[in-house]
Amino acid sequence: DAGITQSPRYKITETGRQVTLMCHQTWSHSYMFWYRQDLGHGLRLIYYSAAADITDKGEVPDGYVVSRSKTENFPLTLESATRSQTSVYFCASARRGRGDTQYFGPGTRLTVL
Amino acid sequence: DQQVKQNSPSLSVQEGRISILNCDYTNSMFDYFLWYKKYPAEGPTFLISISSIKDKNEDGRFTVFLNKSAKHLSLHIVPSQPGDSAVYFCAALYNNAGNMLTFGGGTRLMVKP
Repeated sequence: DAGITQSPRYKITETGRQVTLMCHQTWSHSYMFWYRQDLGHGLRLIYYSAAADITDKGEVPDGYVVSRSKTENFPLTLESATRSQTSVYFCASARRGRGDTQYFGPGTRLTVL
Repeated sequence: DQQVKQNSPSLSVQEGRISILNCDYTNSMFDYFLWYKKYPAEGPTFLISISSIKDKNEDGRFTVFLNKSAKHLSLHIVPSQPGDSAVYFCAALYNNAGNMLTFGGGTRLMVKP
């Protein structure tokens, strides 16, 4: 199906483990984003990518790694998960830059024990 | 320090009445503002936007007002419907920051039948 998908939808892991959250979009949008949603903070940008092989830090990048070898995929890796990374993670994409509507995936709920 | 704030975490309105959701920002470099709507277990979806060169933008039942001098924007929903019950996020864009959105903390709107 066309659109933007995230996997897994739910994940429970332990402190110190590596976790990768997947994001896939079928629109060939240039821009992709990772946000985390925490109570009282709204959505905060972790990393974004303007095109394949181009990534940049957002507001809260520490503890996260991203890559974008293909336009349609934008995985987010927590190299050594911490309890503070328990959150709901949203991936988004946009066709082009400035002001263009961002389309969000359904989210991944991550719990770090 | 949050640059975009939604000071009301929740709002309850009777069906058919007006819903007014407020958002304040501190950074005068923001020049484009958006509202997103989010249902439980789904990603946010774009609702309406406004450029800083305007003070009002209307789309059906939804109107966004911008008061630049007060650094304040509001979303009016008239008439409110039970299906409007969701969390609403306002977001802002810097004039030279590509597509990096800064989100407020969200307001949960409950429309009672």
